[in-house]
Amino acid sequence: DGGITQSPKYLFRKEGQNVTLSCEQNLNHDAMYWYRQDPGQGLRLIYYSQIVNDFQKGDIAEGYSVSREKKESFPLTVTSAQKNPTAFYLCASRSDAGTGRRETQYFGPGTRLLVL
Amino acid sequence: AQTVTQSQPEMSVQEAETVTLSCTYDTSESDYYLFWYKQPPSRQMILVIRQEAYKQQNATENRFSVNFQKAAKSFSLKISDSQLGDAAMYFCPARSEKLVFGKGTKLTVNP
Repeated sequence: DGGITQSPKYLFRKEGQNVTLSCEQNLNHDAMYWYRQDPGQGLRLIYYSQIVNDFQKGDIAEGYSVSREKKESFPLTVTSAQKNPTAFYLCASRSDAGTGRRETQYFGPGTRLLVL
Repeated sequence: AQTVTQSQPEMSVQEAETVTLSCTYDTSESDYYLFWYKQPPSRQMILVIRQEAYKQQNATENRFSVNFQKAAKSFSLKISDSQLGDAAMYFCPARSEKLVFGKGTKLTVNP
């Protein structure tokens, strides 16, 4: 089945530790996105990538890093510089076919990150 | 700055009845889409309906329809014949490339 997978479903981080959240899609989509959701809030954009080996900062990129070495994969690293990482993280992808940038974003099931 | 406002933090509806969720947005772009996503307790974001800004005809998708007022920058969602499975957080992000989200509306469906 085509879709977006995120792993793990739950992730625990110790103080000072870097952790990496996985996002994989087999939809052949060009663009991928990472969002953060805090309780009672909407989603905020962390990073996005429109093509392989290229990515841009979103609205809250500080303390996060990404890579886009393959079209289907867009991992997010939460570094020790992110002082308040506890949140729900959602990955999304979008095709550049059809209307291109205005095409629909489709979301993965999310990863819940908790700090110990 | 691009903004989206959902003025109803919570709404409730009786099963089988109709409810309308409000959304206003602000954008300087001329070419954009508007979306309604639902987020049930599983927290998966699910696309409900989308509207192309250049189209005057309101989008419909089975029991879901929108009332798009471009001049007023308003984009409300009407859910007809509400079902228990419609209970969720509803978001109406806007923009052409990067989605901008409001805080959402929590919809409760009462049996």
